[in-house]
This record gives sequence, C-alpha cells and structure tokens, in this order.
Amino acid sequence: AQSVAQPEDQVNVAEGNPLTVKCTYSVSGNPYLFWYVQYPNRGLQFLLKYITGDNLVKGSYGFEAEFNKSQTSFHLKKPSALVSDSALYFCAVRVGNNRLAFGKGNQVVVIP
Amino acid sequence: KAGVTQTPRYLIKTRGQQVTLSCSPISGHRSVSWYQQTPGQGLQFLFEYFSETQRNKGNFPGRFSGRQFSNSRSEMNVSTLELGDSALYLCASSAPPGGGETQYFGPGTRLLVL
Repeated sequence: AQSVAQPEDQVNVAEGNPLTVKCTYSVSGNPYLFWYVQYPNRGLQFLLKYITGDNLVKGSYGFEAEFNKSQTSFHLKKPSALVSDSALYFCAVRVGNNRLAFGKGNQVVVIP
Repeated sequence: KAGVTQTPRYLIKTRGQQVTLSCSPISGHRSVSWYQQTPGQGLQFLFEYFSETQRNKGNFPGRFSGRQFSNSRSEMNVSTLELGDSALYLCASSAPPGGGETQYFGPGTRLLVL
C-alpha cells in the first residue's frame, strides 16, 4: 500500500533556527508528494508539492522540500523558523484520483 | 477567487440522528473529496466526486454517503450517528484532472455527537 510516514510527533525549534520536518514515503512508481499545514481550528493549507522535475521544491511562506529518491524521503525545510510557523504539518501522497494518504502529522513548536 | 467553503462550521447532534454537511468548491473546480480527521485515526479519505459521479470511496461504513450537484457543490450525509463519528470533516476541491492536481481544503465542519 502506498503511504507516508512522519517519524516524529513533535519538533521543537528556537525562533530563527532552521526547521526540518521529516517525511518518508512508500510508493510503487513515481510519487506525487504534498505538504500541508494546519493551524488550530482551521482546515489544511497547501504548502508545496513534488510531481516531477527538480528535487528541490519551493513553496509558500519560505518553505521548501527536498525529494530524495534513494532515501525515499521528502523532508520539509525552512531556513529560519518564525513563532507563527507553530502548527501541525502533514505530509501526503497521492494514492488515486484526488485521493491523498496522509501521515500522522507533526506538531511544530517554535520557541521565542 | 473565493476558497472552499463548508457549512455549517459546527454541529452538535445526538446518537442515532443523521446529519448533512455541505461543501462549495473553488469556482471552476469539478472534483470534491471528503476526509474525516480524528485525533486517533488522523486524516482518512471518505470519498471523491467528479462531475456528479463518485469515483473513489474509502473504507467507511454505508452510513456515510455523499453526492455532488451539477454546480459541483457536494454534500455528505451520515445516518444513525455514533459517538465515534465525532470529528472534523474536511472537504477539498481540485482543478480538472491532470494527475497531480493540488487539493485545496475548506475550513471543515466540526461534528460533535453526544
């Protein structure tokens, strides 16, 4: 079955430090990978996606992600974290027509 | 463009009742997908509609159903509510098929079953 895994429950980072949220995937064929962010009492907000092409994908709000086929990873990164980046982050993989399978989510806490 | 809208935002129901949730996609989007989010199970796919046809269905009992109208608006219905149906229900819309289309999510409907 096609899936993604987010190995950490919570990521704590000091404001201004680099932020990394990890995601690994298990997919047959070429994966379509996505990152979403969820703020309290809100829906999911699209950050970026990898379909094909450059392994480094740039997205909204200064986020980027690196697709690594040999390590089957798609880690989300931000060079300098802001307190407002504190939220729940989801990695997802397309498993059918407009059907996503999500990881369990990572709570990111940016400490002022 | 206006985003995906969902109504109502909050609902309180009792066991055994039924509920209907509504989703209006982004203008021009013809696909609507529904997901259930709970603390225990995370985000789970319910079903997807395109041009009024259900194309995909997740692993949920028949009490969960949906439909899509000719204007692409979608509704989902849950009959005979159980306590475990308490969740945030999210809908997402995406542009015409292209194999990689991004899903844009609404704010969700939070359902509490008492």
